[in-house]
Amino acid sequence: IAGITQAPTSQILAAGRRMTLRCTQDMRHNAMYWYRQDLGLGLRLIHYSNTAGTTGKGEVPDGYSVSRANTDDFPLTLASAVPSQTSVYFCASSAKPNTEAFFGQGTRLTVV
Amino acid sequence: GESVGLHLPTLSVQEGDNSIINCAYSNSASDYFIWYKQESGKGPQFIIDIRSNMDKRQGQRVTVLLNKTVKHLSLQIAATQPGDSAVYFCAEIVRNYGGSQGNLIFGKGTKLSVKP
Repeated sequence: IAGITQAPTSQILAAGRRMTLRCTQDMRHNAMYWYRQDLGLGLRLIHYSNTAGTTGKGEVPDGYSVSRANTDDFPLTLASAVPSQTSVYFCASSAKPNTEAFFGQGTRLTVV
Repeated sequence: GESVGLHLPTLSVQEGDNSIINCAYSNSASDYFIWYKQESGKGPQFIIDIRSNMDKRQGQRVTVLLNKTVKHLSLQIAATQPGDSAVYFCAEIVRNYGGSQGNLIFGKGTKLSVKP
């Protein structure tokens, strides 16, 4: 089934540990995004990539890094997790920037 | 900073009635708007979009209205069904001045509950 796959579905992580959230899409979309969703704050953009090989910072990039080595994959890394990074993380993609984005099912991350 | 917001955080309607979910935006430079539906435990799902050169767009049972004069966006759902129960988000594309990247900026969401 075409779409976006995120892994893991959920994770409990000790503070200070490094963690990579995986995101893969098979729609050959150029643009990809990472959002975090927190109650009362909605969805906030962490990082984005307009095309393979390029990335940019969103609204809340601190503590996160991304890479875009190819079209399909857009991993999000937390170098040293902190409790404030407890959230639900959504990966999304769009055929090109500034168009309709399709979302994955999310990764629920708890940092303790 | 400029932001997208919603007038009502929760909305409860009777099955079969029409629902109207409102959204205010403050950035006059935004030129593309999207409504998303998010069911519990799932990612946001595209419902309908509208560009700033339009004031109305219709889909299946849904209509989006855009009033650029007052910077207001609404989503109308006709004959609301239990399956419409979800959180609805409006989102706008805000172009970063000096760059070409427009990022989707989401409002905080409205929870729609449909009573049978």
